[in-house]
Amino acid sequence: DQQVKQNSPSLSVQEGRISILNCDYTNSMFDYFLWYKKYPAEGPTFLISISSIKDKNEDGRFTVFLNKSAKHLSLHIVPSQPGDSAVYFCAAKETSGSRLTFGEGTQLTVNP
Amino acid sequence: DSGVTQTPKHLITATGQRVTLRCSPRSGDLSVYWYQQSLDQGLQFLIQYYNGEERAKGNILERFSAQQFPDLHSELNLSSLELGDSALYFCASSATLTGNTIYFGEGSWLTVV
Repeated sequence: DQQVKQNSPSLSVQEGRISILNCDYTNSMFDYFLWYKKYPAEGPTFLISISSIKDKNEDGRFTVFLNKSAKHLSLHIVPSQPGDSAVYFCAAKETSGSRLTFGEGTQLTVNP
Repeated sequence: DSGVTQTPKHLITATGQRVTLRCSPRSGDLSVYWYQQSLDQGLQFLIQYYNGEERAKGNILERFSAQQFPDLHSELNLSSLELGDSALYFCASSATLTGNTIYFGEGSWLTVV
């Protein structure tokens, strides 16, 4: 049972435009969500997170939106840069717990 | 650099063998996690240790075991290796038991032949 799903395996955008990566979850116990970026041959790098008490969190070019009723979150990158090209993983956890449940990842390619 | 150090970076071994993967958490972090990333399974939680004690268990096979030592470094032991155990094994750490910010190492790439 895939509790966290990223339905788009890949996304391609032009430099300077907005990248929107989507993530859906099914477990209503999840109340903390994270986005990680991963380059080949490297570990996942923490990007941004959001608690279920918020519906938006912003950090520079990265904004995460959470729609609890739809069990959906999205990561917006504005403006997109070629260096943003990587695999992006959505992850979820219960605040009272420790384990992260990951989505399958979305390969973002930003074209110059 | 996340501050989480894993060794070895690459390992090739034969079926039936045993290997040990090592992890040093970020300075001050008490929780250590192990995750497995295989081609068909994505990133899967294996096990968590906090201050030397096992605290959470995920999809970890009985052939695998882990421990966290008094200096907080951790080892993941994989025995009776099978071809399907070939994967990237990540260690991660956080400051607290239910840490919301979890930092990952660069991984140990295990190939079983």
